[in-house]
Amino acid sequence: DIQMTQSPSSMSASLGDRVTITCRASQDIGNYLSWFQQKPGKSPRRMIYGATNLAAGVPSRFSGSRSGSDYSLTISSLESEDMAIYYCLQSIQYPFTFGSGTKLEIK
Amino acid sequence: EVQLVESGGGLVQPGRSLKLSCAASGFTFSDYNMAWVRQAPTKGLEWVASISYGGSNTHYGDSVKGRFTISRDNAKSTLYLQMDSLRSEDTATYYCARGTFAYWGQGTLVTVSS
Repeated sequence: DIQMTQSPSSMSASLGDRVTITCRASQDIGNYLSWFQQKPGKSPRRMIYGATNLAAGVPSRFSGSRSGSDYSLTISSLESEDMAIYYCLQSIQYPFTFGSGTKLEIK
Repeated sequence: EVQLVESGGGLVQPGRSLKLSCAASGFTFSDYNMAWVRQAPTKGLEWVASISYGGSNTHYGDSVKGRFTISRDNAKSTLYLQMDSLRSEDTATYYCARGTFAYWGQGTLVTVSS
């Protein structure tokens, strides 16, 4: 099975900060990597698909990138509404696997 | 507007069965692969199962293989998850999701407890 190692598990940042969350894949997953945002009591929301593609309706301050087996979600300028838990997902091979999540808090 | 509405959750005793449904609308259901994802209380997301658009191909996570069955009725635009031999560790909110997880339902809570 492909393991997705997500870091950090939690972080605190100030409004306006640039924030980066990373997932490392244990095997080649190409660009079959998505990022999801989940707020308390809500369903997950897809933010990025295909490693770098912004999902419909997602603010442009969110972006995705890839460097080898490392995949990153970046928020260019943190806003209060971005407080949430973020998960990555690989979907190249079954079983699909999620990262363990990053809880993002606002300082 | 794409809508996915799960139902069928509830309290069930260990070892018993439960069947979840996910009613889809706002898109051509038979064109899309579908999936179930679950989330135990205060825990992360776990992919459970996926089914191809025609229903002929299914895949399961190791923790549910042999106990859960994913199926679909394209004529009714409905996805199902038959859960047998339920365990306490199956307690979670179960979400259905479309295709590449662009759309999710609101989730239905399954509690396995005596």
